[in-house]
Amino acid sequence: QKEVEQDPGPLSVPEGAIVSLNCTYSNSAFQYFMWYRQYSRKGPELLMYTYSSGNKEDGRFTAQVDKSSKYISLFIRDSQPSDSATYLCAMSPVYNNNDMRFGAGTRLTVKP
Amino acid sequence: GAGVSQSPSNKVTEKGKDVELRCDPISGHTALYWYRQRLGQGLEFLIYFQGNSAPDKSGLPSDRFSAERTGESVSTLTIQRTQQEDSAVYLCASSFQTNNEQFFGPGTRLTVL
Repeated sequence: QKEVEQDPGPLSVPEGAIVSLNCTYSNSAFQYFMWYRQYSRKGPELLMYTYSSGNKEDGRFTAQVDKSSKYISLFIRDSQPSDSATYLCAMSPVYNNNDMRFGAGTRLTVKP
Repeated sequence: GAGVSQSPSNKVTEKGKDVELRCDPISGHTALYWYRQRLGQGLEFLIYFQGNSAPDKSGLPSDRFSAERTGESVSTLTIQRTQQEDSAVYLCASSFQTNNEQFFGPGTRLTVL
């Protein structure tokens, strides 16, 4: 079993839809949970991070962590074609160190 | 300002050849990371440099892989006697210090025939 599981998709939605992206994990030592966005032929860029359980909102994006279920989610409201990218979850015991574990990424396409 | 740059952007090589990949981190960033991204898989940590400390090589998959960093600037990742399973995108990231946000380069796409 992988430490971090993420459905690779692909996921295709119409513009304006609410998108839900999810990861599950097995290591209870993870405390920091990150979401990266990766456009084609580009490196990942950090979208959001949360510490421990709870929600965090930034504009159209909401990150949710449920440590009891070892389940994290990223919601995108009012999705736009510019949101089309691969979304990777990542997590680590300590923030942004060399011990991060990444999901495989979910490829999202938002159709106009 | 300039971000992390990597070269070449694409590299096609024959099995058994050596390849060298280059990373230029953001100026002033003391921490530098190399990752491998295989198709359909998450990023795998390879090696980490922090200032003048000994690098953390715990992610290197075999002794065919090595990396160097000159002070707090350029880093090179060398793969000797390449194998087809080495085909992947190799990503470099840098951060101001350890435990700060990592900024990724665009990667080098390596194809071993």
